[in-house]
Amino acid sequence: GDSVTQMEGPVTLSEEAFLTINCTYTATGYPSLFWYVQYPGEGLQLLLKATKADDKGSNKGFEATYRKETTSFHLEKGSVQVSDSAVYFCALSSSGGSYIPTFGRGTSLIVHP
Amino acid sequence: NAGVTQTPKFQVLKTGQSMTLQCAQDMNHNSMYWYRQDPGMGLRLIYYSASEGTTDKGEVPNGYNVSRLNKREFSLRLESAAPSQTSVYFCASSGVGGLGTGELFFGEGSRLTVL
Repeated sequence: GDSVTQMEGPVTLSEEAFLTINCTYTATGYPSLFWYVQYPGEGLQLLLKATKADDKGSNKGFEATYRKETTSFHLEKGSVQVSDSAVYFCALSSSGGSYIPTFGRGTSLIVHP
Repeated sequence: NAGVTQTPKFQVLKTGQSMTLQCAQDMNHNSMYWYRQDPGMGLRLIYYSASEGTTDKGEVPNGYNVSRLNKREFSLRLESAAPSQTSVYFCASSGVGGLGTGELFFGEGSRLTVL
């Protein structure tokens, strides 16, 4: 079945540092890939998405590129802010999983001033 | 814009008590989902409803029942609560066109404690 593996946290960075959160996946067919963000005390919200190979999703300075050859969708940001402190979830949906979204376990990001 | 609304936000139950979590969306979405979130476990799907009138089990359905009351509403019921059901529960909806057609929209969550 479909699965998503993302790096364990917490990831602790200083403000303005470069961020990478790794995400790899297993899926049949051609999945759509997503990054969601969860701020403290809130529900998840979509950060960015990509629906086909080589697509790059971007939003709020975050980027991720759909790499079919390495089955990866790593999240990057060039300069993090304290306000980026949150939990980040990688997710996919595919025909092999009947399009039921599958989530990774989440990676906590803590940014210090 | 209300989006996805869940009630209650907090609830404390004693073992064996029953309760229903309510969820409503105003985006005309076909698909609705119930997830639970536990530390270190990420999000796990309890039940989902691909469209009005249908419901299916997810990864962790034991101890829960659901009702898709109409297109807007999808409730989750705990018939006899157990401490293992202490968790944060999220309702989500997606896809005017059905499953897999886009992002999930989440409610703010319902924090349930079973003593």
